[in-house]
Amino acid sequence: DADVTQTPRNRITKTGKRIMLECSQTKGHDRMYWYRQDPGLGLRLIYYSFDVKDINKGEISDGYSVSRQAQAKFSLSLESAIPNQTALYFCATGQGYNEQFFGPGTRLTVL
Amino acid sequence: QKEVEQNSGPLSVPEGAIASLNCTYSDRGSQSFFWYRQYSGKSPELIMSIYSNGDKEDGRFTAQLNKASQYVSLLIRDSQPSDSATYLCAVNKAAGNKLTFGGGTRVLVKP
Repeated sequence: DADVTQTPRNRITKTGKRIMLECSQTKGHDRMYWYRQDPGLGLRLIYYSFDVKDINKGEISDGYSVSRQAQAKFSLSLESAIPNQTALYFCATGQGYNEQFFGPGTRLTVL
Repeated sequence: QKEVEQNSGPLSVPEGAIASLNCTYSDRGSQSFFWYRQYSGKSPELIMSIYSNGDKEDGRFTAQLNKASQYVSLLIRDSQPSDSATYLCAVNKAAGNKLTFGGGTRVLVKP
């Protein structure tokens, strides 16, 4: 089984809809991250969490919110989706100053 | 100046040759350095991590770190068509536990 899972893997939605992307991990890591990737713009950090009670904004948090339901679960919500939020979304986990491990990604299309 | 810079490529390499990828970073206090491989539409996969000056070898991959010059490089020996991918350089800066990614170098290995 994969260490970091994301659901759904693909989602098409309409402008104005609320969307939730979910991430679960079995690696036992404290730290979890949400990134988005756009062609030509690389990976950009949306939100990150160092433990259940710690949530931090990344470089592009506007229009997004997160919830850390448990050490192993970190969800990303788009309260009112807009077309420029069409992107590939990745969840990652990590420990300390060490490497991060990525989930398989969610391809989101907002029409 | 971007915090982590890579040449976007594409870097075209004949099969069996050495591919050399470079990455420079701006934060002199950076602690940890990583190379990820990403196939189109897939998630980044960690291939190398390096924490101290010098070379680190793992199979056909060698990472080189020079903190004084603020660059980290990746060599891929005996390049194979399956090495064709985008390679992302990531740096964990001195403050905080976040990775900053370069834009990636696209590598094409031609048979």
